[in-house]
Amino acid sequence: GENVEQHPSTLSVQEGDSAVIKCTYSDSASNYFPWYKQELGKRPQLIIDIRSNVGEKKDQRIAVTLNKTAKHFSLHITETQPEDSAVYFCAASSKGGGNKLTFGTGTQLKVEL
Amino acid sequence: GAVVSQHPSRVICKSGTSVKIECRSLDFQATTMFWYRQFPKQSLMLMATSNEGSKATYEQGVEKDKFLINHASLTLSTLTVTSAHPEDSSFYICSAVRTGTDTQYFGPGTRLTVL
Repeated sequence: GENVEQHPSTLSVQEGDSAVIKCTYSDSASNYFPWYKQELGKRPQLIIDIRSNVGEKKDQRIAVTLNKTAKHFSLHITETQPEDSAVYFCAASSKGGGNKLTFGTGTQLKVEL
Repeated sequence: GAVVSQHPSRVICKSGTSVKIECRSLDFQATTMFWYRQFPKQSLMLMATSNEGSKATYEQGVEKDKFLINHASLTLSTLTVTSAHPEDSSFYICSAVRTGTDTQYFGPGTRLTVL
């Protein structure tokens, strides 16, 4: 089955700096890679996703890059703000796998003033 | 939008009792729903895939007789934790996939505490 690794587990940045979270996956059949933001006790919120036919996608301060050859994808947050503080999860799924999501272990992002 | 609700949001029960959790897609139809469990400071672990009108598919290590899943309509899936024990205490989250797409929308979760 799919295995998704995520690094770092914790990340502390100063407000205004950029934050980068990296994930690797094992199943070459995976073709959908969403990123979720989860605040304590709340539901995961989809913030951006990318499919395997695209190398990069951007939405305002958030961008995701995908390297299919190396089987890794990254989340980039620019101009971080205190409200960006949360746990971020990457995930991977494949159509052949019934669209089941395999999640990474999560990154606790803390944006300090 | 794509709104998914869960009920109850929080439940406390005695060991040995059963608890039912409902997951509803409010403004779209969902042929497929997923049930996850999340322990404190850990990731979401998929428990089972719920398909409307058919039996659920359970992940390895998840007891199907303990975690009963029913997906009787395109907007409702239920998870029943039978004979709950303290080790079943966790945050249970469902997600729903809009029919024809692959994007999962998550419910707000149910905090289960078994005494």
